[in-house]
Amino acid sequence: KQEVTQIPAALSVPEGENLVLNCSFTDSAIYNLQWFRQDPGKGLTSLLLIQSSQREQTSGRLNASLDKSSGRSTLYIAASQPGDSATYLCAVFNSNSGYALNFGKGTSLLVTP
Amino acid sequence: NAGVTQTPKFQVLKTGQSMTLQCAQDMNHEYMSWYRQDPGMGLRLIHYSVGAGITDQGEVPNGYNVSRSTTEDFPLRLLSAAPSQTSVYFCASSGPGQYGYTFGSGTRLTVV
Repeated sequence: KQEVTQIPAALSVPEGENLVLNCSFTDSAIYNLQWFRQDPGKGLTSLLLIQSSQREQTSGRLNASLDKSSGRSTLYIAASQPGDSATYLCAVFNSNSGYALNFGKGTSLLVTP
Repeated sequence: NAGVTQTPKFQVLKTGQSMTLQCAQDMNHEYMSWYRQDPGMGLRLIHYSVGAGITDQGEVPNGYNVSRSTTEDFPLRLLSAAPSQTSVYFCASSGPGQYGYTFGSGTRLTVV
């Protein structure tokens, strides 16, 4: 069974800092990996999708990397802003789990002004 | 393009009642799945489907039933609601290969 772990569970940083969120998974035979953002009481917004053949994806101030062999992904947020405060979720997509997502429990990020 | 539409957004049920959470997508996606989100537990897979007529159980299927008669719709049925089913439910869909998952806005269910 695929296990997805996110570290740290919570993070508080001052505005302007660069930060890294970590995600690890136990089964490296993934199809792709997706990072989501969730604001309190809201749904999930997709941030970045990394296919298994890719090493990284970038969108604005966000950069996600994938190392399948070690079972790790990182989400890098540059020049953090208070509007980045949210929970960030990592999810992996395995063909042997019916093409459904396995989620980590998330990292709760607070960026203070 | 509406994406993934879930109804209702909020629902209160009494223990023992049944109901259906609706999920529809207009992207012609093959893969659809239902998740529940509980504090401290993260998102857990309830049921999933890889195409019309094909469904299977996820991590926490007990007390829930699904069917997939069309590509667009994937309803989730609560057979006899229990307080333990109080949660936020999300439906999601994806196409094959390079597409990621798109999520609905969720249904907040309270069972009293």
